[in-house]
Order: sequence, then structure tokens, then C-alpha cells
Amino acid sequence: SQQGEEDPQALSIQEGENATMNCSYKTSINNLQWYRQNSGRGLVHLILIRSNEREKHSGRLRVTLDTSKKSSSLLITASRAADTASYFCAPNTDKLIFGTGTRLQVFP
Amino acid sequence: DAGVIQSPRHEVTEMGQEVTLRCKPISGHNSLFWYRQTMMRGLELLIYFNNNVPIDDSGMPEDRFSAKMPNASFSTLKIQPSEPRDSAVYFCASSYSLGTTDTQYFGPGTRLTVL
Repeated sequence: SQQGEEDPQALSIQEGENATMNCSYKTSINNLQWYRQNSGRGLVHLILIRSNEREKHSGRLRVTLDTSKKSSSLLITASRAADTASYFCAPNTDKLIFGTGTRLQVFP
Repeated sequence: DAGVIQSPRHEVTEMGQEVTLRCKPISGHNSLFWYRQTMMRGLELLIYFNNNVPIDDSGMPEDRFSAKMPNASFSTLKIQPSEPRDSAVYFCASSYSLGTTDTQYFGPGTRLTVL
């Protein structure tokens, strides 16, 4: 399975700190996507990085992709309490396969 | 745009009953996906449609589950008969592109409880 596996499973930080979440997968991909899920809500797309890209930025988000290591990371800089959510990576070959997510808790 | 709309938001039913979940994708989107989320199994793709045609239903757990997309603006996921192990949150998502490589937009989900 090309399911993304996020690490760590849970992360607790203080507001203002940076949060880094990692994702590993097993097969070749077209792209890799990161999604956020607030408690009781649907998933919200954050960023898509293509297989020929190495780094991408969107606001306070920075995503890297290393296809040789089959890994990706999501960095949230200057975290806020509102960033508290679960974060999922989804490697994409012929379909998105979501991992179990990283639960991020940001304390004010 | 209203986003992906799902109904009902919550459904409580008894074992053996038929359950129908509904989804209205974003207008103009060409692909529609049904997912199921549980604590044990995470988020699983059940089935997806391109231009109203089912493309991959390999994630549908068993014959008790069926999905239809009679037109571009409506899809249903039916469970008959329902069982307690079907309790989960069911999400519908849509995307503009055909296939699965594009950004997907998720609805708010239907929380199903089967007693």
C-alpha cells in the first residue's frame, strides 16, 4: 500500500513554536497532498506538492518532498491555537491514500 | 460556492435498517469520492466516480454497500442492511479534475451510529 504514515502520532507545542510533521510512503507517486481536519469536521486541503518539486510554501506552511527517501514533511511556523487539528498526508498514485494523521495540539 | 453538501449530518439507526447518505458535489466538479473514517481504520476510500461513472469500488466493504451517482449533482451511499460495525463518519469529496490526482474538497460528513 502507498498509504502515508505520519510521524509523530501526536504533538503538543506552545503558541509561537514551530510544528514539524513527517510522512513516509512506499511507492512512486504523482504528487503528495497534506490535509487538515478540525475535530468533527471534514478534511481541508492545505497544499499539494508534485513529484518533481522539492519544496513548497503557502503562508506559514512549508512542505518538503524527498522522493528518493519517499518522505515528506510539513512545517507550520509560528503556530497558533487555531492550528490545533489533525494533519494527514496523502500520497497520490492512482488515488489518495490517507494515513492515520498527526494530532497537533497548540496551547495558548 | 456552497461547498460539498452532505445529508443528513447525523444518523442513528438500528441494526438491519437501510441507511441512505446523500451528497451534492461542488458544481462543475467531475469526480466524486466516498470515504469512511473510524478510529481503528482511519480514513478509507470506498468508491469514486468520474463523470458520474463508478471507476473504483474496491474499497466498498461488502455487498451491503452500494453507491450511485445518477447525475452530476447528486450521489448516494446506501447500506442495507446496516450493522453496528458500520458506525463511522462518512465523507463525500469532489474534485474538478477527472481521476484522483487533484485537490479534493470534503463535505462536513455524516456521523452514522448503528445500534
